[in-house]
Amino acid sequence: AQTVTQSQPEMSVQEAETVTLSCTYDTSESDYYLFWYKQPPSRQMILVIRQEAYKQQNATENRFSVNFQKAAKSFSLKISDSQLGDAAMYFCAQGGNTPLVFGKGTRLSVIA
Amino acid sequence: EAQVTQNPRYLITVTGKKLTVTCSQNMNHEYMSWYRQDPGLGLRQIYYSMNVEVTDKGDVPEGYKVSRKEKRNFPLILESPSPNQTSLYFCASSLSWEGANVLTFGAGSRLTVL
Repeated sequence: AQTVTQSQPEMSVQEAETVTLSCTYDTSESDYYLFWYKQPPSRQMILVIRQEAYKQQNATENRFSVNFQKAAKSFSLKISDSQLGDAAMYFCAQGGNTPLVFGKGTRLSVIA
Repeated sequence: EAQVTQNPRYLITVTGKKLTVTCSQNMNHEYMSWYRQDPGLGLRQIYYSMNVEVTDKGDVPEGYKVSRKEKRNFPLILESPSPNQTSLYFCASSLSWEGANVLTFGAGSRLTVL
């Protein structure tokens, strides 16, 4: 069975600094996809970034980038130049030939 | 606007009183899914549907029913709600079930069962 583990229930970062959120996963599939979703206080789930497992190049989206280590089954999210609007719950998720599985989330606080 | 619409957004009910949370999408998506979100547990899948008339259990299906009679609608039914079903519920949809597809989420429905 697929599992996704986010080992940091809570993290904090100073405004303008960089923070990395950890995610590890376990799957027997060879072709799969990894996602980071953001849930701000509004509760809306918003896609942050997506990574195809067959691509070695790490995905980036403006200030958001991932460090994808396929052999280690690790998929961390780096947020650069953190802003107050980045404060949210972040969920890592993995999907392939089976429905998407989510981690338990990391709550990120941004300190002004 | 492409969206997933859930109703009601907030509901307080009592144990045993049947309720339905509606979910509708306007993107012609084949795949739809229900999740519940609880503190410390993340999002757990309740039921999903790969297409009309095709539904399957997720990780936590007990106490819930679903139906998919039309492509756009995927209601979640609680036949006899209990307090342990107090939660935040999300409906989501995507083009198809394959993991490559990005889920579009509804705004969430906060349910309290007394």
